[in-house]
Amino acid sequence: DTAVSQTPKYLVTQMGNDKSIKCEQNLGHDTMYWYKQDSKKFLKIMFSYNNKELIINETVPNRFSPKSPDKAHLNLHINSLELGDSAVYFCASSLRAYNSPLHFGNGTRLTVT
Amino acid sequence: DQQVKQNSPSLSVQEGRISILNCDYTNSMFDYFLWYKKYPAEGPTFLISISSIKDKNEDGRFTVFLNKSAKHLSLHIVPSQPGDSAVYFCAARTTSGTYKYIFGTGTRLKVLA
Repeated sequence: DTAVSQTPKYLVTQMGNDKSIKCEQNLGHDTMYWYKQDSKKFLKIMFSYNNKELIINETVPNRFSPKSPDKAHLNLHINSLELGDSAVYFCASSLRAYNSPLHFGNGTRLTVT
Repeated sequence: DQQVKQNSPSLSVQEGRISILNCDYTNSMFDYFLWYKKYPAEGPTFLISISSIKDKNEDGRFTVFLNKSAKHLSLHIVPSQPGDSAVYFCAARTTSGTYKYIFGTGTRLKVLA
């Protein structure tokens, strides 16, 4: 009965490879997010989708491309991985409504060697 | 520009005493504030929130206080328990626009038995 689940939990890959992280929520939320937690532990927003529509696109390299096939799923594809992409990536979801908190997945630790 | 700041990176408290975690923000458009707790290798877990029309919200051992004039919020945990040891993030959001949740840098709380 996991609310927000993301896979894989760990991802180790070499520079230059392309990888994807998948996220699914069963909370009936209409908005999903990708956050990045870097080595300094800052949680920074990357993208947000509301009902499959991209509504937040922070200053993120074009190598990162989110895709939302439906409002319960938000995937993150990363092309040409670089060492600096190593981080923990968190998926989250919420209702686009007042007083609706974010609910997070358990994160994907990406290590680029 | 860090719009949400937690100036104390760490805090140690004796079991049974009160833990007070602080958070400051700069954007006067924020109208919804949240606290999250994070254990290692897990995603942040929602704890408690407060809207800007209130100055206090209580849920069991957790109370959040909001001082809008000072742009300051705090989380009180009473009594503190060893299981409360975690990293705590405050977050803020505007209701208008993109519903972007901005996080602070976190405070590591250690409750000593």
